[in-house]
Amino acid sequence: QSVLTQPPSASGTPGQRVSFSCSGSSSNIGTNPVTWFQQLPGTAPKLLIYSNNQRPSGVPDRFSGSKSGTSASLAISGLQSEDEADYYCASWDDSLNGHVVFGGGTKLTVL
Amino acid sequence: QVQLQESGPGLVKPSQTLSLTCTVSGGSISGGGYYWSWVRHHPGKGLEWIGYIYDSGDTYYNPSLKSRVIISIDTSKFQFSLELSSVTAADTAVYYCARDRSNRAAAFDIWGQGTMVTVSS
Repeated sequence: QSVLTQPPSASGTPGQRVSFSCSGSSSNIGTNPVTWFQQLPGTAPKLLIYSNNQRPSGVPDRFSGSKSGTSASLAISGLQSEDEADYYCASWDDSLNGHVVFGGGTKLTVL
Repeated sequence: QVQLQESGPGLVKPSQTLSLTCTVSGGSISGGGYYWSWVRHHPGKGLEWIGYIYDSGDTYYNPSLKSRVIISIDTSKFQFSLELSSVTAADTAVYYCARDRSNRAAAFDIWGQGTMVTVSS
């Protein structure tokens, strides 16, 4: 059972806009920044969004992040077939002397 | 460009200690304000943070693994290491080393390719 809650699956068609949620609590998302990762099959995770809504260099602006209270969202606009992957959210949790927590991941299928 | 590479045995016997090393190339392991991390991915499940170490030697561990984990750093060799003791089948996973941009951020911006570790007799 992951500390951050994500829907297990999502789907969309090419060109569509999709969004995923990540729900936490006051000890993690409510207090600390949220990060999003994309993991393609058989590869290491890739940083997509950090500090709630910042994109690292090289990440297309089709990807955007937001946070409100104890929840966060990742949105992908202009969906492409290569966006089919697992998406994980993460945050720092202040409980138990502090530690990183991940969501269980959302598997995105591009129909 | 900074790159990370994990190394270590792919098979560990139950009750033994899992030992992995991550080698940093293309950049410095110290002085950059980064936190050098270990994350694992259980087959068919999500990601799990194991812990990280700052170049000063300060460490932060996952509370659920803290009693069995030691992360160390050797800046002269551009390496940091993971030791996980008393392993069971539940520790079978792909282990990644990663760089966190800062403390309390969970912003792992560079990852190794990962190494599969199986716990089995």
